[in-house]
Amino acid sequence: GAVVSQHPSWVICKSGTSVKIECRSLDFQATTMFWYRQFPKQSLMLMATSNEGSKATYEQGVEKDKFLINHASLTLSTLTVTSAHPEDSSFYICSVRGLSYNEQFFGPGTRLTVL
Amino acid sequence: DAKTTQPPSMDCAEGRAANLPCNHSTISGNEYVYWYRQIHSQGPQYIIHGLKNNETNEMASLIITEDRKSSTLILPHATLRDTAVYYCIKLNNAGNMLTFGGGTRLMVKP
Repeated sequence: GAVVSQHPSWVICKSGTSVKIECRSLDFQATTMFWYRQFPKQSLMLMATSNEGSKATYEQGVEKDKFLINHASLTLSTLTVTSAHPEDSSFYICSVRGLSYNEQFFGPGTRLTVL
Repeated sequence: DAKTTQPPSMDCAEGRAANLPCNHSTISGNEYVYWYRQIHSQGPQYIIHGLKNNETNEMASLIITEDRKSSTLILPHATLRDTAVYYCIKLNNAGNMLTFGGGTRLMVKP
């Protein structure tokens, strides 16, 4: 399967600051990328879907102005958490999909802690 | 569109087969059954998927009932490293994304 990396793997920041998380597809052309969020002991919740070169589509309840997603190329997507608050502390996981809808691969996740 | 139903947790002895059930009674004709697992603090890992025939790969076997309303993931010889949350997901081939339910927390014990 595809190799997907995320950077950073963990980050601690102060409340009110912005944090950028990168998702890279190392050997796979990701026409679509997904961002998920996972709180402790809960399942993954889809935040948004982005197609390369297009604006992201956000799930209900996810603020698009707070969680900025950029999918500028087939190998890179970024998620920026703006004005982070402690309740944004979570495990953020990206996922990539190619032209074949049967293939979806996940990154290792980024743990964000907002103090 | 209802998600799948899985038992919240299961135990399995190391070296024995782990059989994880999944109910997907509302599955439609163009929906596949996917299995992923998530080891603690890692991203989900693809295991196997199928449409109506049984499937086997180096990780596991997938048994789908004839009416496709349920399936079983089989790990033939569970090891301690197989301890994880296992997710059964149904996904059509129209470009929808994976939607995760609660999954089954499998604990493999020595």
